Amino acid sequence: GAVVSQHPSRVICKSGTSVKIECRSLDFQATTMFWYRQFPKQSLMLMATSNEGSKATYEQGVEKDKFLINHASLTLSTLTVTSAHPEDSSFYICSARPRTGEDEQYFGPGTRLTVT
Amino acid sequence: AQSVTQPDIHITVSEGASLELRCNYSYGATPYLFWYVQSPGQGLQLLLKYFSGDTLVQGIKGFEAEFKRSQSSFNLRKPSVHWSDAAEYFCAVEGNTDKLIFGTGTRLQVFP
Repeated sequence: GAVVSQHPSRVICKSGTSVKIECRSLDFQATTMFWYRQFPKQSLMLMATSNEGSKATYEQGVEKDKFLINHASLTLSTLTVTSAHPEDSSFYICSARPRTGEDEQYFGPGTRLTVT
Repeated sequence: AQSVTQPDIHITVSEGASLELRCNYSYGATPYLFWYVQSPGQGLQLLLKYFSGDTLVQGIKGFEAEFKRSQSSFNLRKPSVHWSDAAEYFCAVEGNTDKLIFGTGTRLQVFP
């Protein structure tokens, strides 16, 4: 149990276009989902926290107008990278915390975004 | 502020040898502590976690970690490393903000 999926696993887009990444909790309901960004050979940096039905909370330095997060339901959160640029190329990972109140976050497999 | 330090960027061990990966944290109270493993191009898998109680925590794949409050450490250990253990290992701390703060990671290389 406690599986989180991400789609797509890899995406290549042209500079200036927008890309949507989906994060789904497959077998549990998640009140909170988190979005992380990981640069090559570096650690994960939290970008934002999203709660179902409310606006996401962004970490300092993360542009909320560029990285749009929508937590549409208890099993789905989406991250849209708007007007993507090559510097947005990165590995994006989501995680989800179950509605049951567990302290553990379950991580998705990640999405590799390449902007050309 | 909460922080996590993993002093070793890269560790190489021979298969069958013992392993210890270091993790030090900074937090005012007793934090929740985690170790995750990440294979290339993959997400994170939880190895073990410490919330309270017994300071020696057993995890999956034969890993264990010991919480030492006096040293602000949560080192990960394995008595005998397998080639499949080669991966990136991240220590993380969660404080009162419900957010995970990750260390910079330790890359483990295993030689046959």
